[in-house]
Amino acid sequence: DQQVKQNSPSLSVQEGRISILNCDYTNSMFDYFLWYKKYPAEGPTFLISISSIKDKNEDGRFTVFLNKSAKHLSLHIVPSQPGDSAVYFCAASYSGGGADGLTFGKGTHLIIQP
Amino acid sequence: DTAVSQTPKYLVTQMGNDKSIKCEQNLGHDTMYWYKQDSKKFLKIMFSYNNKELIINETVPNRFSPKSPDKAHLNLHINSLELGDSAVYFCASSPRQYNEKLFFGSGTQLSVL
Repeated sequence: DQQVKQNSPSLSVQEGRISILNCDYTNSMFDYFLWYKKYPAEGPTFLISISSIKDKNEDGRFTVFLNKSAKHLSLHIVPSQPGDSAVYFCAASYSGGGADGLTFGKGTHLIIQP
Repeated sequence: DTAVSQTPKYLVTQMGNDKSIKCEQNLGHDTMYWYKQDSKKFLKIMFSYNNKELIINETVPNRFSPKSPDKAHLNLHINSLELGDSAVYFCASSPRQYNEKLFFGSGTQLSVL
């Protein structure tokens, strides 16, 4: 019963190009979405988040888009850099659930090719 | 000066043994968590502690017991280890309860032989 799905286990992108990571969810109660980034042998680190009252949130090279009707969000990285090579986890929660209700996807391994 | 530190990084042990994983955070956060990343790569919450009180206990076996001597520490004790317990265990903290921005430790790779 995967409530948060990242259907691409891996993605390879050339340095300087745009990376687009996708995430779908099934639970209509989710109203807060986050992306975490994870390097090998390290724990995940928070990258960017978006509330369901918005459809876009931008932070430097990272932009998250939310399409509530499609229950879909995406993370755009422009331009992609070698240091962006990592596993990216999509996560979702609902009001009042906090981290107790944080549901993670399986992650997408982003590989930036030089 | 690591924000969330957990030890050991690797733990190899035999079935039936009892082991502990330690976690400490120096961020002054109120809430700490244990997550398990299984072979399918899903990160799932096991426990969370807020101000030393257990506030959620997902359906994990009672062989797993979290212990928090103070707000900065949350240790995980595992009794009678089984093969299926092999996974990566992550400690995490957040500034307060119901805050989704978690700060994770680097993980403990547990292998049960």
